[in-house]
Amino acid sequence: DAGVTQSPTHLIKTRGQQVTLRCSPKSGHDTVSWYQQALGQGPQFIFQYYEEEERQRGNFPDRFSGHQFPNYSSELNVNALLLGDSALYLCASSFGLAGGNKNIQYFGAGTRLSVL
Amino acid sequence: GENVEQHPSTLSVQEGDSAVIKCTYSDSASNYFPWYKQELGKGPQLIIDIRSNVGEKKDQRIAVTLNKTAKHFSLHITETQPEDSAVYFCAVKLVFGAGTILRVKS
Repeated sequence: DAGVTQSPTHLIKTRGQQVTLRCSPKSGHDTVSWYQQALGQGPQFIFQYYEEEERQRGNFPDRFSGHQFPNYSSELNVNALLLGDSALYLCASSFGLAGGNKNIQYFGAGTRLSVL
Repeated sequence: GENVEQHPSTLSVQEGDSAVIKCTYSDSASNYFPWYKQELGKGPQLIIDIRSNVGEKKDQRIAVTLNKTAKHFSLHITETQPEDSAVYFCAVKLVFGAGTILRVKS
C-alpha cells in the first residue's frame, strides 16, 4: 500500500515563474492538505481540499492555488514566484477533514522548491 | 486563530535519559493534540496523540500528557536511544509548533 507520494522531489525556478506540485494521497484517503515548511521552521498550513473543493485556507496570498481531482489527487500551483517561496512543500492526506479531530494526517516526503 | 508555542527549540540528552518537550496553545476549545517526528529528508510522522477527555496516554517509551486548564501538553520520551534523534513538532488543529531538535548522544 503506497503512502502519500509527491512529485517532483526537487525543483528549481526563477522569480516570476509559475510552478505546479503534485500529490497522490494514501489509498483510501479523500482529503488532501498542503503545507509550506521553511528551513528550520514548522509546517505552515496553506489549504485543505475535500470533495474537489477548498474547505479551509491558511494565511497565504491568492498566488497559491490548488485543485483536487476526482481520484483525490491534488495539485498546488504557485504563481509569480518570490525568493521567499523557497521551501519544502508538504502534502498530507487523511480520511475526512483534518484539524481539531482524530482524523490522522499522513505526510509525503515533500517537494523542495528553490527560487533563484 | 490558534497560537502554538513549543519549547525548547533544541534539546540534547545522553542516551538512556528522558526528554520532555512542551507545547502551549491558545484556543481552549481545541480537543485533539498530536505529536509528530520528522527525520531528515522525510515528512512528519505521527508518533502519538491525545484527546481532551484524557490526561495521559502512553505507547511504550513515549507518552503525552495534557493539562487543559493550563492549555499545554507535553511529549515525554524515556530511555532515549540514538534513533530518537530528530525534529519533533506539536500541532493544534492545523497549526504546528516551530519544532524541537532532539539530539541523543551515545
